[in-house]
Amino acid sequence: DIVMTQSPDSLAVSLGERATINCKSSRTILYSSDNKNYLAWYQQKAGQPPKLLIYWASTRESGVPDRFSGSGSGTDFTLTISSLQAEDVAVYYCQQYYSTPRTFGGGTKVEIK
Amino acid sequence: EVHLVESGGGLVQPGGSLRLSCAASGFTFATYTMNWVRQAPGKGLEWVSYISSSSDTIYQAESVKGRFTVSRDNAKNSLYLQMNSLRVEDTAVYYCARDRYGDYAFDMWGQGTMVSVSS
Repeated sequence: DIVMTQSPDSLAVSLGERATINCKSSRTILYSSDNKNYLAWYQQKAGQPPKLLIYWASTRESGVPDRFSGSGSGTDFTLTISSLQAEDVAVYYCQQYYSTPRTFGGGTKVEIK
Repeated sequence: EVHLVESGGGLVQPGGSLRLSCAASGFTFATYTMNWVRQAPGKGLEWVSYISSSSDTIYQAESVKGRFTVSRDNAKNSLYLQMNSLRVEDTAVYYCARDRYGDYAFDMWGQGTMVSVSS
C-alpha cells in the first residue's frame, strides 16, 4: 500500500496569511504514461463530508477559490492557501488514487491564530 | 442538483449485519464509478470499496474483505454496502463517494450515515 504522510498535524495562521500543508507518498504517484500525479486534496469542515479541492495534484475543482493551489510531483506535494480566510478553518487531507487501496494522509487541522 | 444520500446506519451488536444504501440524483448514475469511504469518530478517512459503473470490477479494503459486499442497481440509481460480521472497529460514518468522471478523485460525497458497533 502507498502510505501518505502529511505535515504538520495542525497549524494556526493569521487571517490573510499563507498556510502551507505538505504531503509525502511512500512511492511515486506520477504515472509515466500520462505524466500526471494521481493526487487529490480535500477540505473537511466540522460536521460535514469532505469536499474536493484539487485533483491531478494541481488542478483546482470548479468553484474552488483561487487562493487554494496545489503543487509538487512524484512523492512530494503541497497545498497552499495564499491568504487564509475564516471559512478555511477545516481539516485538509491528501489522497492518492494511483493504486488500490486508495489511501489518505492523516489530515492537517488549520485554525486561525 | 446533484445529490448522494446515504441511509441504513444504526446501532448493531458485534457479529451483526447492516445494509447501507446510497441514493443518487441529478446525474447519470450508471456512467460513474462509485465508492464507500468511512471515518471513525475523531479519525481520518479510510477508503472501503469501489465498484465500476457496470459492476464488473470491485475492489475492497483488506480490513473489510470477506465481510463487506458492495453492489449497485443502476435502474434504481442506488449504491449498496452489505456489512456482515461487524466488529467494534467498523464503527464510523460511512460516506458514498462518486469518482470524478475520467479519473478517481472523489468529486461528490454524501452526508454520511453513522454505523455504531457495540454490545
